[in-house]
Amino acid sequence: GQNIDQPTEMTATEGAIVQINCTYQTSGFNGLFWYQQHAGEAPTFLSYNVLDGLEEKGRFSSFLSRSKGYSYLLLKELQMKDSASYLCAVTDSNYQLIWGAGTKLIIKP
Amino acid sequence: GAVVSQHPSWVICKSGTSVKIECRSLDFQATTMFWYRQFPKQSLMLMATSNEGSKATYEQGVEKDKFLINHASLTLSTLTVTSAHPEDSSFYICSARVGTSGGWETQYFGPGTRLLVL
Repeated sequence: GQNIDQPTEMTATEGAIVQINCTYQTSGFNGLFWYQQHAGEAPTFLSYNVLDGLEEKGRFSSFLSRSKGYSYLLLKELQMKDSASYLCAVTDSNYQLIWGAGTKLIIKP
Repeated sequence: GAVVSQHPSWVICKSGTSVKIECRSLDFQATTMFWYRQFPKQSLMLMATSNEGSKATYEQGVEKDKFLINHASLTLSTLTVTSAHPEDSSFYICSARVGTSGGWETQYFGPGTRLLVL
């Protein structure tokens, strides 16, 4: 079966760094996405990785290891507005998006 | 770029009525649009994949006669919830795929439609 695992909830402090992990087991792999979703809103695109390595985009970075079926989203200099759910999604061999359940990130002052 | 709109953003209706939700890609042409449903504190659930000019492909367990999808043009897809019941109350989100099949592809989401059936 196809499976994406990420922690249900994480808590971090404003100004700190947090890493949200995602592991996946899918039939084929054509890329991994990270989306941010604030409560009551639709997801917004954060990053896309298809090759191994780190992609940096401002305060957010995303890492991928295809051999390990593993990715993480790194958020630096946390701000209160970063409190949201972070969704990991993988495109399988049929280019279908398989979604993780999301990680709720709580930022404390 | 890659803006997707949805209308309405909120709808409250009586049980038994039908509700139509529109999804538009504002600054690009989307050959493929997706409809999702999300219940509170749960992840997105794909309902169907909508391809312009052809019938939608529904996920297992989604009633195609209840959730009618029409993708009449490259910028518009509609979802009609027929004979809505309270259990259909949910957050409905559409997305449009940008990019070429087999390469870089990203789904951009509309703002969502919150449906409450009384």
